[in-house]
Amino acid sequence: QLQLQESGPGLVKPSETLSLTCSVSGASIITEDYYWGWIRQSPGKGLEWIGSVYYSGTTYYNLSLKSRVTFFVDTSKKQFSLRLSSVTAADTAVYYCARHQASMFRGATNWFDPWGQGTLVTVSS
Amino acid sequence: DIQLTQSPSFLSAFVGDRVTITCRASQGIGSYLAWYQQKPGKAPKLLIYAASTLQSGVPSRFSGSGSGTEFTLTISSLQPEDFAAYYCQQLNTFPLTFGGGTNLEIK
Repeated sequence: QLQLQESGPGLVKPSETLSLTCSVSGASIITEDYYWGWIRQSPGKGLEWIGSVYYSGTTYYNLSLKSRVTFFVDTSKKQFSLRLSSVTAADTAVYYCARHQASMFRGATNWFDPWGQGTLVTVSS
Repeated sequence: DIQLTQSPSFLSAFVGDRVTITCRASQGIGSYLAWYQQKPGKAPKLLIYAASTLQSGVPSRFSGSGSGTEFTLTISSLQPEDFAAYYCQQLNTFPLTFGGGTNLEIK
């Protein structure tokens, strides 16, 4: 059974870089059918897709965050990572990693399933 | 970006009730819509994709319909475990976007 687990600091200072890693278990991260995505949820902005990365390194970004976001994939460790630079209080949120349907399946694509449990990141000095 | 507007934002209902939640897209998205359920402190769980296809393991009392710009999620007979928040997500265009959510509470 596929499971995803986020890890990383829960507190980041303003202007610094937020770094999170998602560990995948129960399935290979090397797959043509899925991307690996990041979504965040804050009271003010609801659910917001940050972007997704393919095992090969191909990336898709929400343009609103693209200038500050970097993704990494480590296939040997079955992990993918997010770095968000120059954070402010507006980046305080619960961050989720999720498997992102990449290939067309039963007439659609681009949904997220399953999700990790989420990790709260607070930006504060 | 495609905006998704859910209504109502809050809904109170009794166990056994039939409820419907609406999601309207700012432009046509065909059948490219998903629905999620989120319980407090938990991650969203996929219920429906392609507007009406039930994800494996999801009870048949959940159903989805619609195309273009208007979509609905219906729960035919509310069970105690269904009281949660529900979100729609458009699958059509990057950036992928979500609706603002509907909180379903016990009356």
